[in-house]
Amino acid sequence: DAKTTQPPSMDCAEGRAANLPCNHSTISGNEYVYWYRQIHSQGPQYIIHGLKNNETNEMASLIITEDRKSSTLILPHATLRDTAVYYCIVRVGNYGQNFVFGPGTRLSVLP
Amino acid sequence: DVKVTQSSRYLVKRTGEKVFLECVQDMDHENMFWYRQDPGLGLRLIYFSYDVKMKEKGDIPEGYSVSREKKERFSLILESASTNQTSMYLCASSLFGSGANVLTFGAGSRLTVL
Repeated sequence: DAKTTQPPSMDCAEGRAANLPCNHSTISGNEYVYWYRQIHSQGPQYIIHGLKNNETNEMASLIITEDRKSSTLILPHATLRDTAVYYCIVRVGNYGQNFVFGPGTRLSVLP
Repeated sequence: DVKVTQSSRYLVKRTGEKVFLECVQDMDHENMFWYRQDPGLGLRLIYFSYDVKMKEKGDIPEGYSVSREKKERFSLILESASTNQTSMYLCASSLFGSGANVLTFGAGSRLTVL
């Protein structure tokens, strides 16, 4: 199973870009990288996903290295409401059903 | 705009009681999942289902069973609740397939077993 490694915690100043790294050195060629976040006492919320190319949506940008062994989630202008635990996930399983959640990165956006 | 609905947000049960946690999704997803989340342990998969009446054990199925009689509904059952099953339970669903399929979560059910 492809696993991910993330720093346990990070701080970011409000209004600045938050760059959250993820290492997935054992990822296989057809596995996608997904990012979710979880605000306290709520269910995880989908942010973005990608395979090879960089991706951007209304919430964030995802930068995947050319060798696909790592990626970075970018929140361009962090707000206090972005304080959450962020999970980087690589899909595993026979049919790709299972999502394995690691401990994630606790991002604190500071005023 | 609610897509995955968990029947109870908070429950308090007594040891030995039978507990049903219900989950309904309106996105016509084939896959449905039950996770539990505990401090310091992250999300752990209990069971998942990729079709009606089909189920697969996850990482921690002991003490739990599931039921999927209809595509949109996936129930988690605690036959005899114990205090170590006090936890946040999260239901999720996704489309079937090995491509890019987003996992959509419900709001969670916080169960306390006394």
